[in-house]
Amino acid sequence: KQEVTQIPAALSVPEGENLVLNCSFTDSAIYNLQWFRQDPGKGLTSLLLIQSSQREQTSGRLNASLDKSSGRSTLYIAASQPGDSATYLCAGGHSGGGADGLTFGKGTHLIIQP
Amino acid sequence: DTGVSQNPRHKITKRGQNVTFRCDPISEHNRLYWYRQTLGQGPEFLTYFQNEAQLEKSRLLSDRFSAERPKGSFSTLEIQRTEQGDSAMYLCASSLASGLQETQYFGPGTRLLVL
Repeated sequence: KQEVTQIPAALSVPEGENLVLNCSFTDSAIYNLQWFRQDPGKGLTSLLLIQSSQREQTSGRLNASLDKSSGRSTLYIAASQPGDSATYLCAGGHSGGGADGLTFGKGTHLIIQP
Repeated sequence: DTGVSQNPRHKITKRGQNVTFRCDPISEHNRLYWYRQTLGQGPEFLTYFQNEAQLEKSRLLSDRFSAERPKGSFSTLEIQRTEQGDSAMYLCASSLASGLQETQYFGPGTRLLVL
């Protein structure tokens, strides 16, 4: 059974800093890895998806990497802004057929101090 | 706004009552997922449809939970005889089956409180 762990559970940094959020998973037979953002009381917004054959994906100030052999993914946020404050969730997809859904970590609660 | 809508957004009910939630996916998406999220946890996968076929339901939490997607468009999730432990956010997601590039898009969720 896939287990996903996110470290740290919470992070508070001053505006402008670059930061890294970590995600580890136990089953390397991962199909893809998706990073989401969740604002309080809201649904999830997809940020980046990395296919199992890829090493990284970039979107604006965000860069996500995937290392299947070590069971790790990182989300790098450059030049952080107060609007980046949210909970960030990583999730592993399996089989490609949807049968297992996504397996989520508990998230990293990020606060960017103005 | 991802294009996935859920109704109602909030539901308060008394223990023992039945509740039904609706999800309208992005129109061209053939896959639809239901998840449950409790406070401080990531979403937990419940069930999955491809078109109108429910291809995975063993992860539904008990036989009090059931889901339908009668015409391959909207879906409903029903909880019978609700219990206080059912209080959670119920999230729906949809996707277009496209191999490795399949991205799930989530709705805003329905927050259930069972008194």
